[in-house]
Amino acid sequence: DTAVSQTPKYLVTQMGNDKSIKCEQNLGHDTMYWYKQDSKKFLKIMFSYNNKELIINETVPNRFSPKSPDKAHLNLHINSLELGDSAVYFCASSQVGTTEAFFGQGTRLTVV
Amino acid sequence: AQSVTQPDIHITVSEGASLELRCNYSYGATPYLFWYVQSPGQGLQLLLKYFSGDTLVQGIKGFEAEFKRSQSSFNLRKPSVHWSDAAEYFCAVGAGSSASKIIFGSGTRLSIRP
Repeated sequence: DTAVSQTPKYLVTQMGNDKSIKCEQNLGHDTMYWYKQDSKKFLKIMFSYNNKELIINETVPNRFSPKSPDKAHLNLHINSLELGDSAVYFCASSQVGTTEAFFGQGTRLTVV
Repeated sequence: AQSVTQPDIHITVSEGASLELRCNYSYGATPYLFWYVQSPGQGLQLLLKYFSGDTLVQGIKGFEAEFKRSQSSFNLRKPSVHWSDAAEYFCAVGAGSSASKIIFGSGTRLSIRP
């Protein structure tokens, strides 16, 4: 049973399109995150949600909009995709007080 | 500001040899420290973590790390590496209120020489 699952695993799309990446965790955690890993493997936090409320937004362009319908889900919607958005996006979850984050397998987004 | 530095971009060691991956952090308070491993095409797996207490922490897959406050370091070690250890290794620090976000270092790629 996968703890943190992301779909799709691969996403190839054209510039200007709008796309979504879904994330679900079955660990009962109350905090979820989105991280971006660029071509140099550098990992940077984008967003953090706690109990469906946004608590961290790390100067991400407003073309990126996270949506948390419930504690177990944190989806990432991206409008007007740009070439520079090509990266691997990781979803993660943790329980407040533990800080141990569990990561999904990642979604490789390629914008052409 | 909190930051994590991994000075080695790429390290190659022979199978069976010992390994040490370096990590230095910058953080005002007592840090939460982590090492994650990312195998090719995979997500990140937690190897070990330090919150408090014993400064030598044991992790999975035979890894250990030592927290040295005086040196602001949290180096990862393994006495004898296996070919399956080839991967990208990330040191990280928990930051923010209740360490609500994790700041990663730039990673060290480990290659294993047969």
